[in-house]
Amino acid sequence: AQKVTQAQTEISVVEKEDVTLDCVYETRDTTYYLFWYKQPPSGELVFLIRRNSFDEQNEISGRYSWNFQKSTSSFNFTITASQVVDSAVYFCALSEANMNYGGSQGNLIFGKGTKLSVKP
Amino acid sequence: EAQVTQNPRYLITVTGKKLTVTCSQNMNHEYMSWYRQDPGLGLRQIYYSMNVEVTDKGDVPEGYKVSRKEKRNFPLILESPSPNQTSLYFCASSLIFGGTENFGPGTRLTVT
Repeated sequence: AQKVTQAQTEISVVEKEDVTLDCVYETRDTTYYLFWYKQPPSGELVFLIRRNSFDEQNEISGRYSWNFQKSTSSFNFTITASQVVDSAVYFCALSEANMNYGGSQGNLIFGKGTKLSVKP
Repeated sequence: EAQVTQNPRYLITVTGKKLTVTCSQNMNHEYMSWYRQDPGLGLRQIYYSMNVEVTDKGDVPEGYKVSRKEKRNFPLILESPSPNQTSLYFCASSLIFGGTENFGPGTRLTVT
């Protein structure tokens, strides 16, 4: 069965510190997709990244970077030089692939989230 | 403006009174889905739809119904709501699943 574990329930850092949010997943499929989402205090959900299981290249987007390692079934998210605006709950998610649709199958499994607090 | 809209945003109702939460997107997206968010449980998928007339169960479909008669709309129906369905509900859409998911603003439902 699919499962996503975000072991860190809450993290608190001081502004400008680097912080890594862990995500460990379980799946029996060889083809799958991984996602990260952000939920700021205002409550909306914001898509951050999607990665398929064939692409193990690390991704960097500004202060955000993602480290995908199939060997350890992990898809960790690092924020460099954190800012107060990064304070949010971050969710990691997993989905099987559906080749007929050229993408994920549709059944998206979320981790329970990590609440990040960045203090000034 | 490209967006996913949900109505109502807040609803307080009583046990057993049928209700519908509407979800509409104006991006011509094929994929739509519903999630519920509960403290300590994160987000759990209720139902999803790959296209018109194509729907499938997520992880927690019991007590819910959906329909996808048109591409833009994906209503969530609670035929007989119960207090354990008190939650924050999100609708989402994307061009195909695995693309950028656009989420609606959420509907906070309280069933007494």
